[in-house]
Amino acid sequence: DTGVSQDPRHKITKRGQNVTFRCDPISEHNRLYWYRQTLGQGPEFLTYFQNEAQLEKSRLLSNRFSAERPKGSFSTLEIQRTEQGDSAMYLCASSGAGGASTDTQYFGPGTRLTVL
Amino acid sequence: GESVGLHLPTLSVQEGDNSIINCAYSNSASDYFIWYKQESGKGPQFIIDIRSNMDKRQGQRVTVLLNKTVKHLSLQIAATQPGDSAVYFCAETIGQGKLIFGQGTTLQVKP
Repeated sequence: DTGVSQDPRHKITKRGQNVTFRCDPISEHNRLYWYRQTLGQGPEFLTYFQNEAQLEKSRLLSNRFSAERPKGSFSTLEIQRTEQGDSAMYLCASSGAGGASTDTQYFGPGTRLTVL
Repeated sequence: GESVGLHLPTLSVQEGDNSIINCAYSNSASDYFIWYKQESGKGPQFIIDIRSNMDKRQGQRVTVLLNKTVKHLSLQIAATQPGDSAVYFCAETIGQGKLIFGQGTTLQVKP
């Protein structure tokens, strides 16, 4: 499968714990995006990278959240000291293969986080 | 077929009918628009896109219409099938930046 992959698919944690999610983009894509989606809502932008550079961060991304893309390939999203309000689906998307579809963002299956 | 002029959170259609899902976007500077389909527990799936220099684009059984004057986007699905049942989101962006998603519409297809 050559699509965007995310790991884990589900994560249940206790309030106050740290969690880390991984995203592997489509291999030739140089842009990688993180979004958060709560029940009944559309995805909300968190941050994005072009290669290894983090180009934009949303105000939704509090100082408990950090994202990295150290080698310009996979990315990690870490949430420290999780709160119940962090419970959501965390989605990763990638784009940038060049050609007519270079701007199209393709999404992974998401990581469902539940904070107890 | 079912046709709505305004955004509705839920659209129920008979199998075989045409569906039209509407979306209002927010930024007149947006130059690229995408429709996504999202099934329960899955990530959004690309359906069709359109750039701001076009007003219509057709795919397989789907057509997207863009009206920049009123900042309106619509998705038309021909001969709706049970497998089309999902939540549909429109999204807008400027260049290669973040997507801004509209309100979703749940499409229910009755057999």
